[in-house]
Amino acid sequence: DIQMTQSPSSLSASVGDRVTITCRASQGISNYLAWFQQKPGKAPKSLIYATSNLQSGVPSKFSGSGFGTDFTLTISSLQPEDFATYYCQQYYSYPLTFGGGTKVEI
Amino acid sequence: QLQLQESGPGLVKPSETLSLTCTVSGGSISSSSFFWGWIRQPPGKGLEWIASIYYDGSTYYNPSLKTRLTISVDTSKSRFSLKVSSVTAADTAVYYCTRRPSGLAIDYWGQGTLVTVPS
Repeated sequence: DIQMTQSPSSLSASVGDRVTITCRASQGISNYLAWFQQKPGKAPKSLIYATSNLQSGVPSKFSGSGFGTDFTLTISSLQPEDFATYYCQQYYSYPLTFGGGTKVEI
Repeated sequence: QLQLQESGPGLVKPSETLSLTCTVSGGSISSSSFFWGWIRQPPGKGLEWIASIYYDGSTYYNPSLKTRLTISVDTSKSRFSLKVSSVTAADTAVYYCTRRPSGLAIDYWGQGTLVTVPS
């Protein structure tokens, strides 16, 4: 199985901050990397696919980069609605696996 | 707009079989090149992929659960289902159904349904 490791597991930030979350795969996954946002009590929301492509309707303040084993999610200017937990997921091979999550809080 | 809606029992006794259904609306479950799948999240924990079924009927299971899982699709009713046998308290989780285009990431999620297995 491919292990996905996210860091940090949590971070404190302020409105307007630029935030970066990293995700590392235990082996190369090309660009088969997705990011999801989850708010308390809600289903995850799909943000990014193929490392850097925004899902429909996702604002451009979200961006992703990377290839192979190292990936990042960046939120350019944090807004109140962005405080949530973010997960990466590889879909390069089965079993599909998720990172442990990064909680972004005030 | 595609919508996925999970349905299930809410409470399942230990050693019994959990049965969940995901009803798809606003789009065709028979469309080619989509995976339909299940992901779960124990209370306060992260996300775990459970199983997927391709439009052609091919199935994929998490090896850690494989012996207890069955995923199926009923195109006539536009729904797909998951069965988890011999449940324990460790199967207590919110279960989400999802759609994933072939070669791409999950794009749609259901709202989730909480299943509790008492210890």
